[in-house]
Amino acid sequence: GAGVSQSPSNKVTEKGKDVELRCDPISGHTALYWYRQSLGQGLEFLIYFQGNSAPDKSGLPSDRFSAERTGGSVSTLTIQRTQQEDSAVYLCASSSNRISQGNSPLHFGNGTRLTVT
Amino acid sequence: DAKTTQPTSMDCAEGRAANLPCNHSTISGNEYVYWYRQIHSQGPQYIIHGLKNNETNEMASLIITEDRKSSTLILPHATLRDTAVYYCIVRPDNLMKTSYDKVIFGPGTSLSVIP
Repeated sequence: GAGVSQSPSNKVTEKGKDVELRCDPISGHTALYWYRQSLGQGLEFLIYFQGNSAPDKSGLPSDRFSAERTGGSVSTLTIQRTQQEDSAVYLCASSSNRISQGNSPLHFGNGTRLTVT
Repeated sequence: DAKTTQPTSMDCAEGRAANLPCNHSTISGNEYVYWYRQIHSQGPQYIIHGLKNNETNEMASLIITEDRKSSTLILPHATLRDTAVYYCIVRPDNLMKTSYDKVIFGPGTSLSVIP
């Protein structure tokens, strides 16, 4: 079946503009994660959605960053007034995490490469 | 912070076994050990996971110490395509209704397979 899909795959924007990054998780997956990966660095946790619970936003670096997950499926990460230091690959992952299915791996998309000029 | 520590980098000769260690000395009884790898420009790929027992699949083997404070990922016959960053993480067993699964990745081990 289809994996995690992210769009766009590449985004170039001017400093100060707003951007929206989209994640389509695997159908039925209740957990969704956003990470940021700067060049040559590891994965930086941004936000975690679990079912209908309030999301864990503890990794969002500033109030310019926000994310929502509509209907428990598609998620959008929004960065307002982009800065050059926002340039990175933004990765989305989803996981089943259904009680009846036990533990399950995170499935990652291939990310959106954001370049702020 | 990540609950695991791994060496920053390792080399392995092509065709030999690659043994990647991971320390998770504060692991809880209900937490699984997971391994992922990330090849340049791609999203991380799931490899294997385990709780107590050693596990094997078509990609790798996972050896977990009896006290569960460390583990080793084994790639039995490393190829050039195995050159990647390997991440070891711990996650709670979501069979527990109260499990909270914020997954934090450490910097991982950069494995270079040498021809």
